[in-house]
Amino acid sequence: EVQLLESGGGLVQPGGSLRLSCAASGFTFSSYAMSWVRQAPGKGLEWVSAISGSGVSTNYADSVKGRFTISRDNSKNTLYLQMNSLRAEDTAVYYCAKGDGIMVTPYFDYWGQGTLVTVSS
Amino acid sequence: QSVLTQPPSASGTPGQRVTISCSGSSSNIGTNYVYWYQQLPGTAPKLLIYRNNQRPSGVPDRFSGSKSGTSASLAISGLRSEDEADYYCAAWDDSLSGPVFGGGTKLTVL
Repeated sequence: EVQLLESGGGLVQPGGSLRLSCAASGFTFSSYAMSWVRQAPGKGLEWVSAISGSGVSTNYADSVKGRFTISRDNSKNTLYLQMNSLRAEDTAVYYCAKGDGIMVTPYFDYWGQGTLVTVSS
Repeated sequence: QSVLTQPPSASGTPGQRVTISCSGSSSNIGTNYVYWYQQLPGTAPKLLIYRNNQRPSGVPDRFSGSKSGTSASLAISGLRSEDEADYYCAAWDDSLSGPVFGGGTKLTVL
């Protein structure tokens, strides 16, 4: 059974940093691209970042480029999102989502339960 | 402001057929596949339609997708109370080099 379990969310001050993790199980992790998708309170879905199965290729939304870094450790079946210079508008539930192959597409067949990040003073 | 445009709301009565539209441009829907997601209240999104009109296993055939030019539609036939949810379209955007989502449509079953 595919499982994705996010952790690392919490309350952080503007300008602060946070690292999210997503522990994956139930599939060959290195064979699939992974993404982070966020949802601000009461708002719609926003794709944040993605990484190819090998970790060589990464993509970012313009809203987080230069501040967030996606990475993965295929030996630990874990996806990460390092978030720096956080802003109030980064407040959201962050989901990790599994892709359908090595390359990144909008196909997300499994999602985690989400972890809430709140940026506030 | 989302790259893909959806109506904010839609509604129907049980048994009815409803459609939800998704409008984009030549850099996304016009040249790439469209995906649809269903998000029930308080839960993570669920893949409903992929590659314009394909259903993952377990998704009822009451749900169907179509695409024409730079627009796409999700149709739900035989509407049921459990279909009340938010629905999102998504596509790859060549200009942004990443996936983009619509703003979402809240479906109410009257």
